[in-house]
Amino acid sequence: DAKTTQPNSMESNEEEPVHLPCNHSTISGTDYIHWYRQLPSQGPEYVIHGLTSNVNNRMASLAIAEDRKSSTLILHRATLRDAAVYYCILTGSGGSNYKLTFGKGTLLTVNP
Amino acid sequence: NAGVTQTPKFRVLKTGQSMTLLCAQDMNHEYMYWYRQDPGMGLRLIHYSVGEGTTAKGEVPDGYNVSRLKKQNFLLGLESAAPSQTSVYFCASRKVMTGGLNTEAFFGQGTRLTVV
Repeated sequence: DAKTTQPNSMESNEEEPVHLPCNHSTISGTDYIHWYRQLPSQGPEYVIHGLTSNVNNRMASLAIAEDRKSSTLILHRATLRDAAVYYCILTGSGGSNYKLTFGKGTLLTVNP
Repeated sequence: NAGVTQTPKFRVLKTGQSMTLLCAQDMNHEYMYWYRQDPGMGLRLIHYSVGEGTTAKGEVPDGYNVSRLKKQNFLLGLESAAPSQTSVYFCASRKVMTGGLNTEAFFGQGTRLTVV
């Protein structure tokens, strides 16, 4: 299975943009890139996902490298409520679509 | 919208006792998952199900059993609880990918289990 690598922790200041990196050098052509986050004492929640093109939604943007070996989750203006653990996950397609394997993620601290 | 509901939210067990954790989803999702999360760790997959009547082992299945008799429910059982099973348990559900569209998972709020 393809693995992801994320920094253990990152820090940001409130109202500044945050770029959370994820490396997935062994990604297959049909793997989707998903991001989830886990707020303190809560279950993970979906943030965004993409395959090849950059994606935007109300929560964040996902920038995917042209070779797909890395991606970056972008929070345009961090707030204190964005302090969480962010997980980058690869999900297969077709017969392996069910797979949803988490790593340790990146702990994001947002300073006021 | 109830989404994914886990029962109970907290439980303390004595070593050797048994219990069942219930996960219920009202979104008609095909896939369901059970994870455990220990302090400072990510989520580790215990068991999963790709449809009613089917289950499969994840990364850390030992000491747990599961059943998916109804599409909306996924049960996690501990036959003889051990202190090493003290953890926070999360259930998730996800719609099967169709039409080339990948889908997101929805998680419950967790069950905090302590085995003494």
